[in-house]
Amino acid sequence: QKEVEQDPGPLSVPEGAIVSLNCTYSNSAFQYFMWYRQYSRKGPELLMYTYSSGNKEDGRFTAQVDKSSKYISLFIRDSQPSDSATYLCAMSTGGGADGLTFGKGTHLIIQP
Amino acid sequence: DAGVTQSPTHLIKTRGQQVTLRCSPISGHKSVSWYQQVLGQGPQFIFQYYEKEERGRGNFPDRFSARQFPNYSSELNVNALLLGDSALYLCASSLQPDRYYGYTFGSGTRLTVV
Repeated sequence: QKEVEQDPGPLSVPEGAIVSLNCTYSNSAFQYFMWYRQYSRKGPELLMYTYSSGNKEDGRFTAQVDKSSKYISLFIRDSQPSDSATYLCAMSTGGGADGLTFGKGTHLIIQP
Repeated sequence: DAGVTQSPTHLIKTRGQQVTLRCSPISGHKSVSWYQQVLGQGPQFIFQYYEKEERGRGNFPDRFSARQFPNYSSELNVNALLLGDSALYLCASSLQPDRYYGYTFGSGTRLTVV
């Protein structure tokens, strides 16, 4: 079992839909949770950062962390074709020495 | 301000050769980390450097090595290249190793081993 599981998709939804992306993890020591967006042939770009459990909202994006279930989610409202990309969840125990542990990434396609 | 700069952008090497990849962090960032991203997978942690010292290492063989220079730029070296080393190599910089909200990735170096 991988430390972080993420459905690779592809996930295809019509423009304007609400998108739900999620990851599960097995390491209960993870405390820092991030979502990155990666366009083809580019580096990942940080979208959302959350420490411990709870919700965080930034514009059309909402990140949720449920440490009791070892489950994190990213919601995208009013999805746009420009949101089409690969979305990576990442997490860390803290301290920096272990780096970030990433999921496989979900390929999202927003149909115009 | 310039972001994280990686060079070269693309590279083709033959099995058994050695390769050096370079990374310049964002100005003021003292921490650099390296990741390997194989096609269709998420990035995998290779090294973390802070203030010119190795602070963390992922599960990679000793063929992989790195260093950080006084100006905080960094090099990743891979010896005795294997076909499986073909991947996008990403560098990320931050103020400190645990400032995850400030991690900024470069666009990567795409290495192809033939």
